[in-house]
Amino acid sequence: EAGVAQSPRYKIIEKRQSVAFWCNPISGHATLYWYQQILGQGPKLLIQFQNNGVVDDSQLPKDRFSAERLKGVDSTLKIQPAKLEDSAVYLCASTPGEMNTEAFFGQGTRLTVV
Amino acid sequence: AQSVTQPDIHITVSEGASLELRCNYSYGATPYLFWYVQSPGQGLQLLLKYFSGDTLVQGIKGFEAEFKRSQSSFNLRKPSVHWSDAAEYFCAVEEEYGNKLVFGAGTILRVKS
Repeated sequence: EAGVAQSPRYKIIEKRQSVAFWCNPISGHATLYWYQQILGQGPKLLIQFQNNGVVDDSQLPKDRFSAERLKGVDSTLKIQPAKLEDSAVYLCASTPGEMNTEAFFGQGTRLTVV
Repeated sequence: AQSVTQPDIHITVSEGASLELRCNYSYGATPYLFWYVQSPGQGLQLLLKYFSGDTLVQGIKGFEAEFKRSQSSFNLRKPSVHWSDAAEYFCAVEEEYGNKLVFGAGTILRVKS
């Protein structure tokens, strides 16, 4: 079974530039999450999708971050414009959507804003 | 709101020694609890989980954890640490409804030979 795929693995941009990350969850997984992991901290949920609908985006800085999951499969997370404090690892995870199931994580995208 | 506290930022143990990583949670209802491990440059891998039933749960790689409701704790243990266990360990609690994980800040484990 293929795991959660993310790209790119690394990205360096200047502040005020825009950037996009891509995630392909495990086939058949209805629920998809984006987490932000700042150095020295645990992952923090940014947004949760159930199929192609948003379940929770309360922690997403909507003035600069956006995410979509068209067709309920792949997802993209965009930052525009980026700030220095956005430097972090962005992790994508997926679950089948049922309760009591394990979340599978991708390897993440490490973003450095300079 | 739920929260997870991992009191130890770094822990160093000798190879072959026993290990205990501490985790305390704040959650009103019955928690769903997890331990994940993250090696450098990798995503998070689930070590074990507790939903209900036996309070001592076994996981992969020889890890176990014990849920103690009276202490709001879910400490991770391993009787004999291997050099390959060096990584960062995260404790997490899941909301009863919503499947959202709240993570602690992590504990970095160093293993000395």
